[in-house]
Amino acid sequence: ILNVEQSPQSLHVQEGDSTNFTCSFPSSNFYALHWYRWETAKSPEALFVMTLNGDEKKKGRISATLNTKEGYSYLYIKGSQPEDSATYLCAFIPNSGYALNFGKGTSLLVTP
Amino acid sequence: NAGVTQTPKFRILKIGQSMTLQCAQDMNHNYMYWYRQDPGMGLKLIYYSVGAGITDKGEVPNGYNVSRSTTEDFPLRLELAAPSQTSVYFCASSYYDRDNEQFFGPGTRLTVL
Repeated sequence: ILNVEQSPQSLHVQEGDSTNFTCSFPSSNFYALHWYRWETAKSPEALFVMTLNGDEKKKGRISATLNTKEGYSYLYIKGSQPEDSATYLCAFIPNSGYALNFGKGTSLLVTP
Repeated sequence: NAGVTQTPKFRILKIGQSMTLQCAQDMNHNYMYWYRQDPGMGLKLIYYSVGAGITDKGEVPNGYNVSRSTTEDFPLRLELAAPSQTSVYFCASSYYDRDNEQFFGPGTRLTVL
């Protein structure tokens, strides 16, 4: 079992605020790091797949960075909107395996 | 494309009954996965498959079986259902490489009473 930690567990921000969350994973044996967005009553949807140390990816107002040497990734949301309310999951794939190891997620609530 | 489909959407089982959760994908993905999601616990991998005829255990395989006779289908079998198997089950698939995103089905909500 590979330990993937996400913080904070939950977050409540006002519309227009920028926010960020952290995903920590084992720094050794790294292959890839995934971020998913999971809205209530729906299925998880992929945001980013990151494989290289120093990777930065962006999709609209959401961006992510990756530090494989120290074992963490940050997800940033700029100017949060109510439709950004969801649980954000990160998942780690080790070099020695095929399967995603998910963290428990950060639950984001954005209120108008 | 329908993507990843799962049936049934909901099911209630009695203790000791068996059932098969169906999963199919029409994206010609090699990799397929079964997860369960329990409140406060995140997604846990039950079984996965990297191609037809190849399956392997994930983190929580006990009480389940899988088969992969075709690229499209990856059914999950529950034998002798127990209350601990009450959960939401998600099937997912991805292209042949591990750094490709996974596509998830809509989920099956199973209750064992």
